[in-house]
Amino acid sequence: QKEVEQNSGPLSVPEGAIASLNCTYSDRGSQSFFWYRQYSGKSPELIMSIYSNGDKEDGRFTAQLNKASQYVSLLIRDSQPSDSATYLCAVNTGANSKLTFGKGITLSVRP
Amino acid sequence: DTGVSQDPRHKITKRGQNVTFRCDPISEHNRLYWYRQTLGQGPEFLTYFQNEAQLEKSRLLSDRFSAERPKGSFSTLEIQRTEQGDSAMYLCASSLGLAGEYYNEQFFGPGTRLTVL
Repeated sequence: QKEVEQNSGPLSVPEGAIASLNCTYSDRGSQSFFWYRQYSGKSPELIMSIYSNGDKEDGRFTAQLNKASQYVSLLIRDSQPSDSATYLCAVNTGANSKLTFGKGITLSVRP
Repeated sequence: DTGVSQDPRHKITKRGQNVTFRCDPISEHNRLYWYRQTLGQGPEFLTYFQNEAQLEKSRLLSDRFSAERPKGSFSTLEIQRTEQGDSAMYLCASSLGLAGEYYNEQFFGPGTRLTVL
């Protein structure tokens, strides 16, 4: 059973702080990794994708991947109240590219 | 709007009735996925199409569920003899995938929220 774990939540940070969201996965054959943001009652929105070990930055978001440790994380700098949402980690392992999701981490940014 | 669209957005039905949902993917995308999401959980994979071919079905998908993608364009997901446990958000996603490539990003539609009374 291929699993994606997001255990560190819910998370509350003050406005302007760095939010750090973590995710681990079980399948060493996993090839690509995604972070989705989901507002309450809405569908998931893709915010970051990462395929190689290291960091990938896009605006206030940085995704970090460590395949040896089977660990992927998302950092949100200068957190804003509008970042308050559930963040879903998703992992793609197969040729059909289906995604396996974690349960999500709920982030609350306090004004 | 060139994103993924789904219809209807909400469906309330009585137990035992059949329901059908439609998904229109991003026009140039060859891959289409159906997922189901319940409260407090991440989306769970149901089935996958590459063009018109259904290439994978989850073991979660009982024989009451059927999906089609005629002509490789829009897709329909039908649930027969609905049960209360079928209540969930049904999400469609599409991507542009090349053979042997793992990099394809999936974009989700707004979902269809099903409530079975």
